[in-house]
Amino acid sequence: AQKITQTQPGMFVQEKEAVTLDCTYDTSDPSYGLFWYKQPSSGEMIFLIYQGSYDQQNATEGRYSLNFQKARKSANLVISASQLGDSAMYFCAMRLKGSGYALNFGKGTSLLVTP
Amino acid sequence: DVKVTQSSRYLVKRTGEKVFLECVQDMDHENMFWYRQDPGLGLRLIYFSYDVKMKEKGDIPEGYSVSREKKERFSLILESASTNQTSMYLCASRSRALATTNEKLFFGSGTQLSVL
Repeated sequence: AQKITQTQPGMFVQEKEAVTLDCTYDTSDPSYGLFWYKQPSSGEMIFLIYQGSYDQQNATEGRYSLNFQKARKSANLVISASQLGDSAMYFCAMRLKGSGYALNFGKGTSLLVTP
Repeated sequence: DVKVTQSSRYLVKRTGEKVFLECVQDMDHENMFWYRQDPGLGLRLIYFSYDVKMKEKGDIPEGYSVSREKKERFSLILESASTNQTSMYLCASRSRALATTNEKLFFGSGTQLSVL
């Protein structure tokens, strides 16, 4: 079974600091995709970053980077220079095999950025 | 700009009512999905569809059904709403093509359903 685990229910970070949100996954499929989404209090799901299992380099998108350690099956999200607007729920997800390319989500991490 | 539209942001229904949650996408996507989101549980897949009139059960289909009569519209149906179906419901879509640029799911803004 494919499984996503986010072990941090809540995190605090001070403005302008970097923060790492943890995500581990479990799959026997050699081909998979990993995603991070942000959900602010408004409820919309905002795509942040994607990493394919065969990608040689860690994905980066602006202040977001994905620390992909394939052997450890981890895909941690790093947010550099945190901003107050980064306060939100963050979900790690993995593409499911054979479900119309649905995503299997972790339980999420609530991030609060303080001044 | 791409768009997935859910017809209601908030909905209040009574136990036993038949409830329809509507979702429309304008991206000509083949695949559409319904998730429910509960605090501490993340998003869980209810049903998905990969073509018109085609549907497949996700992880938690009990108490739900779906309808896809047109490519752009995917409806979630609660035949007889119960209080344990109070939740946030999220619709999503994506192209069937497994190309990098089309990997992500596009989400609607969600429907918060309360069943009293």
